[in-house]
This record gives sequence, structure tokens and C-alpha cells, in this order.
Amino acid sequence: QQPVQSPQAVILREGEDAVINCSSSKALYSVHWYRQKHGEAPVFLMILLKGGEQKGHEKISASFNEKKQQSSLYLTASQLSYSGTYFCGTENSNYQLIWGAGTKLIIKP
Amino acid sequence: EAQVTQNPRYLITVTGKKLTVTCSQNMNHEYMSWYRQDPGLGLRQIYYSMNVEVTDKGDVPEGYKVSRKEKRNFPLILESPSPNQTSLYFCASSKTSGVPLLHEQYFGPGTRLTVT
Repeated sequence: QQPVQSPQAVILREGEDAVINCSSSKALYSVHWYRQKHGEAPVFLMILLKGGEQKGHEKISASFNEKKQQSSLYLTASQLSYSGTYFCGTENSNYQLIWGAGTKLIIKP
Repeated sequence: EAQVTQNPRYLITVTGKKLTVTCSQNMNHEYMSWYRQDPGLGLRQIYYSMNVEVTDKGDVPEGYKVSRKEKRNFPLILESPSPNQTSLYFCASSKTSGVPLLHEQYFGPGTRLTVT
């Protein structure tokens, strides 16, 4: 079952903060976050594991609440380059990533 | 350079004419996957492969075939394309080990397919 992302879209001014949420009705092994710019392929941001470990290489933070089966992505002091659509993917027991519908982030100067 | 390549990048075809979209990765990844992306629906998995000769259906496998004869290649075959298969297709690869099983996925540039 597809995880639910919220909000569907958000418009920010440069320098403002944003939070994108991802929730699932099923138990999760991990949560993956990707960003996709228009006309391009998705690019990896972060993996969150049970127990709180994070693996990523961007200056973006996230949380993973295993009990609530929810994850949140925190974008602070947003830059124009943060614009794009953010997807969460939840890993299930069958080695699949099930993707949310995406959150479109627009950053205005 | 580590990369996933797909060909062709754009394809316009007619209903029923068999086609193959190729995907190749040079990172020696065990896991490869095909997704389709449609507006408002995000990425939906078509098929995936954990290793050579091991393939499994994803969420939307109907109308598609795959094969994994070599570790680096994972072609997507549409035996009889229909207009509802018009979409943007991405191939992705990832290493697998321990927990999480899936690591960072590397995506190809995408193939935009139109079936008339």
C-alpha cells in the first residue's frame, strides 16, 4: 500500500523552513527519501533505519518514528536548489520500495 | 563514472508493436528495478531483480516482461504495447546487504514512451 505524503505541495520563500511527512499503514524496515527535479531522475537524499540510524550525504535532516510508522523530512533555511518533488519510499519485507505520490516544493527568491 | 544508462530516451510507437527498453549499470549492483512514473501517482514498480536469473513482479507487472541474464543488464520488454503504457520509465540499481536490504538507488535518465 502506497505511503501517504503530506503536504502535496508547498511554496516557500528562500530561507524558510519546510517539513514533509510520510506515513504508512504497514510495518517498515526503512524509509528512503529522494528528490526529483523537473525532467530529471530522482536523486537519493537519505535512508532512515529502525533504531534511528540515518544514512545520507545531504545537509537535510529527517526522523523516523517506527511505532507510528511515520517519517518526516526537515528542510531548513531553504535554498532555490531545494525546489523539486520529494518522494518517500518505504521498504517492505519483499525487498521492494513502495513510493509515495510526492510533495512538490517551490522555493521563491 | 558510476551510472545507469537507458535506451532509448524517447520512443513513440504504435499499439501492438513489440519494443525493448535497455538498462545497464556499471556498479556491479545486485538489485535492479523498473519503475513507471505517471502524474500524481509517483513511482510504481513494474519488476525487480535481486540478482542474475532472479526476477519478481512489482506492483504493476501486467503487460511487461523482464530478463536478467547478466548482472549489469536488465531490459524491459513490452510484447504488445497499449496506449495505457504511455509513461515515463526509470531503471534503477542498488547494492544490497544487511539492514536495510536496499541501499541508495541509482536511477537511469528515464525513457519517455508514447504508444498511439
